[in-house]
Amino acid sequence: DAKTTQPPSMDCAEGRAANLPCNHSTISGNEYVYWYRQIHSQGPQYIIHGLKNNETNEMASLIITEDRKSSTLILPHATLRDTAVYYCIVRSPYTGAGSYQLTFGKGTKLSVIP
Amino acid sequence: ETGVTQSPTHLIKTRGQQVTLRCSSQSGHNTVSWYQQALGQGPQFIFQYYREEENGRGNFPPRFSGLQFPNYSSELNVNALELDDSALYLCASSQGQGANTEAFFGQGTRLTVV
Repeated sequence: DAKTTQPPSMDCAEGRAANLPCNHSTISGNEYVYWYRQIHSQGPQYIIHGLKNNETNEMASLIITEDRKSSTLILPHATLRDTAVYYCIVRSPYTGAGSYQLTFGKGTKLSVIP
Repeated sequence: ETGVTQSPTHLIKTRGQQVTLRCSSQSGHNTVSWYQQALGQGPQFIFQYYREEENGRGNFPPRFSGLQFPNYSSELNVNALELDDSALYLCASSQGQGANTEAFFGQGTRLTVV
């Protein structure tokens, strides 16, 4: 799986947009970009994923650059409940005997400040 | 709420003992993966089951084993517990194995080995 690089921590004012960057310069053409978050001591929560096009759901937007070497997760109006560790993961397709597990790095600790 | 349930939520075991952790996957999901998350680290992939067969394994010794049942629920068994096995154990389920398939996590089982 391609490796990802994220800043270790970020702050965001409550009500403002939180923009979380992720670099994945070695991503292959058939690998997806996934975002999960983990609130303290809970299981990771799926947020969004994409391949090439920008994606939006009720939680967030995912912007993938045209060369696919980086992406940004956008939380449009951050609340205190969005304080969590955010993981950017590049996921390979299943290729048989191997697996396409989610490979978690250290993520970005987002603190939403009142 | 993901529909993935794990039991028990907390467990304390003595070094050398054996432990079984359980996971009920989300309705309709036939793939279950297990992860270990040590304190301060991201989750690490242990193994994956698809239609009752293990079809992917991370860098964990054979004393970590598992089962998947016909209803797609799963067990993680750890023999000869060591102090370093103390961690949050997470189960994730998904429908199929494609890279374009979201995996949803349970809340985890916190195992403490003393």
